[in-house]
Amino acid sequence: GEDVEQSLFLSVREGDSSVINCTYTDSSSTYLYWYKQEPGAGLQLLTYIFSNMDMKQDQRLTVLLNKKDKHLSLRIADTQTGDSAIYFCALWGGGYQKVTFGTGTKLQVIP
Amino acid sequence: DGGITQSPKYLFRKEGQNVTLSCEQNLNHDAMYWYRQDPGQGLRLIYYSQIVNDFQKGDIAEGYSVSREKKESFPLTVTSAQKNPTAFYLCASSKTRATKSPLHFGNGTRLTVT
Repeated sequence: GEDVEQSLFLSVREGDSSVINCTYTDSSSTYLYWYKQEPGAGLQLLTYIFSNMDMKQDQRLTVLLNKKDKHLSLRIADTQTGDSAIYFCALWGGGYQKVTFGTGTKLQVIP
Repeated sequence: DGGITQSPKYLFRKEGQNVTLSCEQNLNHDAMYWYRQDPGQGLRLIYYSQIVNDFQKGDIAEGYSVSREKKESFPLTVTSAQKNPTAFYLCASSKTRATKSPLHFGNGTRLTVT
């Protein structure tokens, strides 16, 4: 099956940029998503990118997709304390009929 | 506003008892899903349903059961056969599975079994 890997933890200072990374194994993944989870809550869809795109920008969020290296990243500009949460990447695989989630990266923003 | 409602938010049960978690959506989505979340393990798929009266096992279906009698509702029963039921359970829906549209999540139910 699909493997999706994320680093577990990231700490940044308020006002800096955060970059959260995700690597995956299925080169035929077609739809790739970023979700945010605050403590005790469900997952909130932040943004998504299709596999025929390299980059997508949405206000403070920039998603980069490197299909050759099977690497997805989420950049948050001007990180705020309200951005502290767990961030999950998720993919609809090409050959798999389900969404696979990464293990999540906990982002800590230091004031 | 459309969304997914999970209830209750917290649930406590004694070992050996079955328990049912509720999930209702008013997004008019065809597909619905149940995930289990454990610390450091991401989300694991328990069951999914593409249409009413149809559902399929996910990766960790043992000890769980579901029904899909109405489009809006997809309840999950955690049976006494589930060896380690304490977890955070998330329900999700998507427009259809065929279009690989994004999943929308409820706020989860935290189940504690002692």
